[in-house]
Amino acid sequence: EAGVTQSPTHLIKTRGQQATLRCSPISGHTSVYWYQQALGLGLQFLLWYDEGEERNRGNFPPRFSGRQFPNYSSELNVNALELEDSALYLCASRTGDYSNQPQHFGDGTRLSIL
Amino acid sequence: SQQGEEDPQALSIQEGENATMNCSYKTSINNLQWYRQNSGRGLVHLILIRSNEREKHSGRLRVTLDTSKKSSSLLITASRAADTASYFCATASLGIGGGADGLTFGKGTHLIIQP
Repeated sequence: EAGVTQSPTHLIKTRGQQATLRCSPISGHTSVYWYQQALGLGLQFLLWYDEGEERNRGNFPPRFSGRQFPNYSSELNVNALELEDSALYLCASRTGDYSNQPQHFGDGTRLSIL
Repeated sequence: SQQGEEDPQALSIQEGENATMNCSYKTSINNLQWYRQNSGRGLVHLILIRSNEREKHSGRLRVTLDTSKKSSSLLITASRAADTASYFCATASLGIGGGADGLTFGKGTHLIIQP
């Protein structure tokens, strides 16, 4: 069974540009989560999508947005990039069953802002 | 915000020894999960313990949960060089969907196994 896949592996942008990160969940998983792991700030919850809808977001500005497609894959868009957006962005997926199920993570996209 | 706080921040032991990491959290939880991360790569799920469970085992891993003290511990027995990694606890809080919301992570324990 294929795990969570993320692309690209690395992304280099300059301040003010826009970045798009992609995530394919494990087959059969309907929930997708995005996390940011920035140096010194740890892992922080960004967004949660389930069945195509945004269910919740963490404490991030609106320039962080995304969507979930009918095949449950997801995109994270970051507009007006700032230097502090440099981080590892991790995607996780989980079965839609709301019982106690773990989240499974991809290897992440490392976003560097110059 | 960070809910979980792992202790210690770093731990270095000899191969074959046991490693114990602790985690404290602040709010009521639905479950607590432990993850491993190797050198800035993705997180690998290790074990999930529900709020009504006190202890759980998986291979060389043993996790305990004390909801009265809002704390958990992860024990790795007979450590190996390949166990060198950062270990994070993450909590799923009670809420809509019974814990389906985003996880809240601690800052992690960096474990080094000396060969």
